[in-house]
Amino acid sequence: DVKVTQSSRYLVKRTGEKVFLECVQDMDHENMFWYRQDPGLGLRLIYFSYDVKMKEKGDIPEGYSVSREKKERFSLILESASTNQTSMYLCASTLGGGYGYTFGSGTRLTVV
Amino acid sequence: AQSVTQPDIHITVSEGASLELRCNYSYGATPYLFWYVQSPGQGLQLLLKYFSGDTLVQGIKGFEAEFKRSQSSFNLRKPSVHWSDAAEYFCAVGSSGGYNKLIFGAGTRLAVHP
Repeated sequence: DVKVTQSSRYLVKRTGEKVFLECVQDMDHENMFWYRQDPGLGLRLIYFSYDVKMKEKGDIPEGYSVSREKKERFSLILESASTNQTSMYLCASTLGGGYGYTFGSGTRLTVV
Repeated sequence: AQSVTQPDIHITVSEGASLELRCNYSYGATPYLFWYVQSPGQGLQLLLKYFSGDTLVQGIKGFEAEFKRSQSSFNLRKPSVHWSDAAEYFCAVGSSGGYNKLIFGAGTRLAVHP
């Protein structure tokens, strides 16, 4: 069964820390995405990548960066965590537009 | 710009009752349309998708959805709801070009009464 794996289900970090959220897919997908999910707001796109070392900003990139050194791995980086970045973070990948996304189980991040 | 509207934030139905979740989209061309389900604390699982052809599509877990171009809608239905269907449901629209991004609605949370 194909999978998108997010390394942590729950994280608690302190304000100002640098935080790394890892995502790995085993489907050889070129396209990978990071979303954050907040109640009443649905899923909002932070960054996406359509190839190794390529990245594009989504709708809410401020305070975040990403890294894609290998095709299977897409990392989200919070440069200096703040309390307003407390959220559920979802990683997804896709082969192409018509296939839909495969999602990871999510990482619930709390910044204190 | 593309957008997706799910007018109902919360819906409560009785077990065994029928269900319809509404989704309206805004998109200039023929879109790709999706419904996802999210159980508590989990990621999103694809229920069904529409690309072209037959406007009534069947999905997993007994769900179906109908694409109506004239109404810009893609409503999700199930004839008889089970308690395990309690979850949050997201409609999404995507394009055939660009970077394969999906735009998601805000979601509808479904509660099922026994």
